[in-house]
Amino acid sequence: NAGVTQTPKFQVLKTGQSMTLQCAQDMNHEYMSWYRQDPGMGLRLIHYSVGAGITDQGEVPNGYNVSRSTTEDFPLRLLSAAPSQTSVYFCASSFPGGGYNEQFFGPGTRLTVL
Amino acid sequence: RKEVEQDPGPFNVPEGATVAFNCTYSNSASQSFFWYRQDCRKEPKLLMSVYSSGNEDGRFTAQLNRASQYISLLIRDSKLSDSATYLCAVNSGNFNKFYFGSGTKLNVKP
Repeated sequence: NAGVTQTPKFQVLKTGQSMTLQCAQDMNHEYMSWYRQDPGMGLRLIHYSVGAGITDQGEVPNGYNVSRSTTEDFPLRLLSAAPSQTSVYFCASSFPGGGYNEQFFGPGTRLTVL
Repeated sequence: RKEVEQDPGPFNVPEGATVAFNCTYSNSASQSFFWYRQDCRKEPKLLMSVYSSGNEDGRFTAQLNRASQYISLLIRDSKLSDSATYLCAVNSGNFNKFYFGSGTKLNVKP
């Protein structure tokens, strides 16, 4: 099993550009989440999904869109990149279990917006 | 007020020392609690879940204090390899909505 994979590993964007961060998992997890990690801020939840076709907003959803058409994939779209979106982005997945189950994280995407 | 707060450290300790971290949470309805370890420029990985009765895994002990709304992590006999950032995570009853602390950095020195 590859676990949770993310692409790209690094990305540089110009302000106003759009892009999609890819996330895939092969563990048949129903729950998937996107976080951003900034220095001194910890991990903050952007969007999450409890199954194909179901998504919801986290703490910091503005400027990001998600969709979940399959169990395996959960892409994160930046609509119009801003320097404030410079961050490390982690995707995570877990089995359902009322929040009692471990989350498995991907290796992260380091995004710089100029 | 942040959902979860941690002392950012760094905690600089010699090998063999015992070190403890605390993490406070604001939502009294929180149901599940975790400690994650994050190495530099890597993804977080689960260190241990925190159970109401407290739990131990080798040199690591986790405790939950619901009355004061904090969780703790105790590391005994610190090793150089324990150097990392330790993140606490709290699930406030919304099955996939986790809140993470900003992390506590631990440096174990020879």
